[in-house]
Parts: sequence; C-alpha cells; structure tokens
Amino acid sequence: SQQGEEDPQALSIQEGENATMNCSYKTSINNLQWYRQNSGRGLVHLILIRSNEREKHSGRLRVTLDTSKKSSSLLITASRAADTASYFCATDRNDYKLSFGAGTTVTVRA
Amino acid sequence: DGGITQSPKYLFRKEGQNVTLSCEQNLNHDAMYWYRQDPGQGLRLIYYSQIVNDFQKGDIAEGYSVSREKKESFPLTVTSAQKNPTAFYLCASRPGQPRNTEAFFGQGTRLTVV
Repeated sequence: SQQGEEDPQALSIQEGENATMNCSYKTSINNLQWYRQNSGRGLVHLILIRSNEREKHSGRLRVTLDTSKKSSSLLITASRAADTASYFCATDRNDYKLSFGAGTTVTVRA
Repeated sequence: DGGITQSPKYLFRKEGQNVTLSCEQNLNHDAMYWYRQDPGQGLRLIYYSQIVNDFQKGDIAEGYSVSREKKESFPLTVTSAQKNPTAFYLCASRPGQPRNTEAFFGQGTRLTVV
C-alpha cells in the first residue's frame, strides 16, 4: 500500500498561473518530501519539510504540512512550461522507509 | 562525478528467466532503495537497505531479491516468480545520518518481458 496519496491526479494550467497539489498520508512521519519527475527519467528532490515545521519556501515553491490532518500541499507560483512534470510526495518514517504516492501530473500550457 | 548509476537503461528478458538490475553509488550513502513504477503510476517500494549486509522488504517484495554486500552496490534480481515484471525500475540512495535527508535517484532501468 502507498503511504501518500496526491490530489488531483492531473492538473492543466496556463503559463503564469499557480499550481497547487495536495498529499495525504496515514502514519506518523519524520518528514515529508516532494519530488519531480520528467517523463521517463529519475526523480529530483524539490523540498523537505520536517514534522515540526508548518511551512517552507524554496524559490517559487511553497510547501505546507499539517500533521494533525496528515496532509501537505505543494504550491508552484508563476508556473512556466518547464514546470510540466509529475510531482510526488514521499513520507519518511523512523525506520528509513521512504514511501511515495501516486503523483500529480502537471501540464503548463504556453 | 558523484552520483547513482543504474544499468542497463533498457533490458529485455524472456519469460521464465531471472534478470539482475545494477545500482551503484559513489556518494558514500548508507541507505539504498529499489522502486517499481508502472505507466502513469506512482513509485512502489520493493526493498530497502539501511546499511551494508542488511535489507528489508518493502510493499511489493514478492518475486524480487536483493543483496547488499558492499556499501556502494545494491543489485536487484527479478525472478521468474514475479508475475508482471515489465516496468520501470528506479534505484535511490541517501545518507544514513543525519536523518531528514533527501534521496538521490538513478535514471532508471526499463525492463520488458518478451
């Protein structure tokens, strides 16, 4: 079973708009991470938020974490065509198990 | 260059044959992972290893086996017992300490059963 579940499964936006995707999970975690995957490639790490943090920023990325609701969100502001990719959340537990969700496919239209 | 290397990039296997996928890292990372990704799907954890000579089953270990005899290497064998082996396989590694670290991924091996 997968620990994280992303929502929505797919998202299509116009260049310059913001993209928001959500991740829900089931068990307690050390941290939650977001990754990006371009088609047919490996994953690239975007941002990590620890369980005692509520919000984190990195460039055009903003991540929130609500441990009481077991959920996280990733916001990409001012999207570009190059942001077209699949985005995955991953939960990191005490036992080193790093589990991924099903991902959100983002398409940015020029 | 430091990094994580998977080979081969494409692999074809006949039904009933075992096949081994290679994963090597020179990042001095303690932890290593194998994931399977089916078209349009997320990553499912097959096996992971926190340290040399130790590994744990992930969520879909049946039909797969691994070894961790060296810190830099974590090969995955897809056995004939795996019913639907055609998939994209990704290997990852990260430091054992400190905790709260990101994982680094290889570029994947695409396995096709013919």
